[in-house]
Amino acid sequence: GQQVMQIPQYQHVQEGEDFTTYCNSSTTLSNIQWYKQRPGGHPVFLIQLVKSGEVKKQKRLTFQFGEAKKNSSLHITATQTTDVGTYFCVSTTSGTYKYIFGTGTRLKVLA
Amino acid sequence: DAMVIQNPRYQVTQFGKPVTLSCSQTLNHNVMYWYQQKSSQAPKLLFHYYDKDFNNEADTPDNFQSRRPNTSFCFLDIRSPGLGDAAMYLCATATGTGRETQYFGPGTRLLVL
Repeated sequence: GQQVMQIPQYQHVQEGEDFTTYCNSSTTLSNIQWYKQRPGGHPVFLIQLVKSGEVKKQKRLTFQFGEAKKNSSLHITATQTTDVGTYFCVSTTSGTYKYIFGTGTRLKVLA
Repeated sequence: DAMVIQNPRYQVTQFGKPVTLSCSQTLNHNVMYWYQQKSSQAPKLLFHYYDKDFNNEADTPDNFQSRRPNTSFCFLDIRSPGLGDAAMYLCATATGTGRETQYFGPGTRLLVL
């Protein structure tokens, strides 16, 4: 079945440093979504990428979808303590309404 | 505001005592999902409804059941909770095109004593 792996599993950075999480799939993805879950909270949608090679930016966050649509990345520039949480990439299974969560990357930002 | 609501936010039950978690939505979405999330893990899909069409994941234990009496409400019944069922239970909705945002409720944290 479709599996989505993320690396790293954990990342500790000093405030102001950059952070990147990578998402890799064994199969071609129709789209990729990114969600953020704060500690004790629920996943919150950040963005969706659909096109091969697509790049989208949200302030300090840059999202990329690989040319082969098998990988994606989220890059945060100059992290802040408000960036703390777990970032999940999520894909949908073709022909169904199911969402496949990546393994997640937990980010801690040290002030 | 349109939203996904879960009640209760915290639930304490005894080993083997049935418990029901509820989810309601004002988004009028076709699809409703139940996920189980344990500490430091990704949410795990238990089942989902497209309207009244129920879809169970192959590895969801029989101990977990669900009901969707109408578009707005969906319930998760745990017939005989075990210690391993302690987790956060997340309800989510989506319109049903398969490529759009999922909206999550705040979750119910279940503790089994």
